[in-house]
Amino acid sequence: DAKTTQPTSMDCAEGRAANLPCNHSTISGNEYVYWYRQIHSQGPQYIIHGLKNNETNEMASLIITEDRKSSTLILPHATLRDTAVYYCIVRVRTGNQFYFGTGTSLTVIP
Amino acid sequence: DAMVIQNPRYQVTQFGKPVTLSCSQTLNHNVMYWYQQKSSQAPKLLFHYYDKDFNNEADTPDNFQSRRPNTSFCFLDIRSPGLGDAAMYLCATSRGDRGLNQPQHFGDGTRLSIL
Repeated sequence: DAKTTQPTSMDCAEGRAANLPCNHSTISGNEYVYWYRQIHSQGPQYIIHGLKNNETNEMASLIITEDRKSSTLILPHATLRDTAVYYCIVRVRTGNQFYFGTGTSLTVIP
Repeated sequence: DAMVIQNPRYQVTQFGKPVTLSCSQTLNHNVMYWYQQKSSQAPKLLFHYYDKDFNNEADTPDNFQSRRPNTSFCFLDIRSPGLGDAAMYLCATSRGDRGLNQPQHFGDGTRLSIL
């Protein structure tokens, strides 16, 4: 499985967009990019996933570069409740395993 | 409404005393996972069931076993817990239909302490 690289921590002002980068330079053509977040003392929560096209849902947007070697999760208007660890995961299309990387600790500042 | 339920939220056991953690789901998902998460670390996949097929990760210690008696329930058995097994244990489910790439749904975990 392809590995991911994320910054250890980031800050974002409340109300501003939070842009969380992820590098997955060894991703293969059949691997999806998934994003989860984990708020302290809770289980990880699914946010969004994509293969090669940009995706948007009610929580966030996912921008995947054309070469698919990196992606960015965008939280359009960060709130204090978005403070969490955000994990970027690549997953084999036909596989069942999800392997978590080290994640980015996002702090939203009032 | 909780869909992946882990009980208890906190479990204390003695060094070397077998312990079982439980997970139930109301999603009727055919894949169930167990992860170990130590403090300030990412979740680490221990194993998963695809229906009744057990899939162990290569680096999961033999001390960790699992049972899945039916679709809704899955158990994690730690045969002889050591101090290094103190962690949060997370259960997750997903629809495993190949190619659909469905996300996982997690419970809130059981925090295991070893005395």
